[in-house]
Amino acid sequence: DAKTTQPPSMDCAEGRAANLPCNHSTISGNEYVYWYRQIHSQGPQYIIHGLKNNETNEMASLIITEDRKSSTLILPHATLRDTAVYYCIVTLQYNQGGKLIFGQGTELSVKP
Amino acid sequence: SAVISQKPSRDICQRGTSLTIQCQVDSQVTMMFWYRQQPGQSLTLIATANQGSEATYESGFVIDKFPISRPNLTFSTLTVSNMSPEDSSIYLCSVELPGGGNQPQHFGDGTRLSIL
Repeated sequence: DAKTTQPPSMDCAEGRAANLPCNHSTISGNEYVYWYRQIHSQGPQYIIHGLKNNETNEMASLIITEDRKSSTLILPHATLRDTAVYYCIVTLQYNQGGKLIFGQGTELSVKP
Repeated sequence: SAVISQKPSRDICQRGTSLTIQCQVDSQVTMMFWYRQQPGQSLTLIATANQGSEATYESGFVIDKFPISRPNLTFSTLTVSNMSPEDSSIYLCSVELPGGGNQPQHFGDGTRLSIL
């Protein structure tokens, strides 16, 4: 599984967009980019994932660069409840031997 | 998604004892996993719970210490055996829903375990 690099911490003002970067320069062609977050005292929550194309759901948008070496998770209107540790994980599908390997993630603090 | 329930949610145990953690899902799932999160750390995969066969353990984890059962498609248990203070962690169950190979995993809220 490819290694990812994320900033250890970020701040964001409530109501503004939060843009969380992730570098994965060694990603292989069939590895997916997954984003999870962990709010204090809870289990990780799945946010979004993608292979090549940009993806959007009710929680967030995922922008993957054309060379797939980096991606950005966008929370369009951050709220205080979005304060959490955000994990970017690159992995194969499970049936291809993929596993979720959690790094240290980015601790996002949304401030009033 | 799915509703994933873990029991107990927390416990305080004496060293040398064993504790079995249960993970129940409200629908049939293809894969079930067990993770450990040590204090202040990220999650580490312990093993994949295979239905009807022995679990697949990651490097550094062994069956004698963390026996796992998965009798059906909605339930699994993890036992932490002969506990020591170093086993104080949050233990989390996750599941992969049916529907293709790139389904995301969904996590329970974990079992907070403290060993005295």
